Amino acid sequence: DAKTTQPPSMDCAEGRAANLPCNHSTISGNEYVYWYRQIHSQGPQYIIHGLKNNETNEMASLIITEDRKSSTLILPHATLRDTAVYYCIVRPERRGGAQKLVFGQGTRLTINP
Amino acid sequence: EPEVTQTPSHQVTQMGQEVILRCVPISNHLYFYWYRQILGQKVEFLVSFYNNEISEKSEIFDDQFSVERPDGSNFTLKIRSTKLEDSAMYFCATAGTGFLYEQYFGPGTRLTVT
Repeated sequence: DAKTTQPPSMDCAEGRAANLPCNHSTISGNEYVYWYRQIHSQGPQYIIHGLKNNETNEMASLIITEDRKSSTLILPHATLRDTAVYYCIVRPERRGGAQKLVFGQGTRLTINP
Repeated sequence: EPEVTQTPSHQVTQMGQEVILRCVPISNHLYFYWYRQILGQKVEFLVSFYNNEISEKSEIFDDQFSVERPDGSNFTLKIRSTKLEDSAMYFCATAGTGFLYEQYFGPGTRLTVT
């Protein structure tokens, strides 16, 4: 599975957009980019995923570069409740059966009032 | 919104004892997983389960660990003889039909082995 690189920590002011980068330069054509977050010691929470097109849902937007070697998760109007560790995970498409998630260290995002 | 539930929320046990951690998946989900997170460390995959059998397991998941779906609803993780190093948060996750469906995690069980 492709490796991802994320900054260990970031700060963002409340109400501003939080942009979290992820480098996945060895990603292959059938691998998807997933983002999860973990608030304090709670279970990880799915945010969004994409293959090559930009994606948006009610939580966030995912921008994937054209060469797919990096991506950015955007939280458009960060709130204090968005303070969490954010994980960028590359996950291959494998037909049949379960597919594990491989977590790295993630980015600890702190939203400041 | 449907959610994964886990019991107990906190389990304290003595070294060498058996523990069973329980998970109630989201209804109609077919893929089940256990992960663990030692305090201050990464979330680590333990095992995945589909169609009543293990699909994949990590090297952590040795003979001391087992999983089953005894009654078609609960999904359990058993540790036969706990060790101090088994102390961690254990998360159950489930996913729906299809191989790319996102995994939904439960709140976790904090296992403390003394």
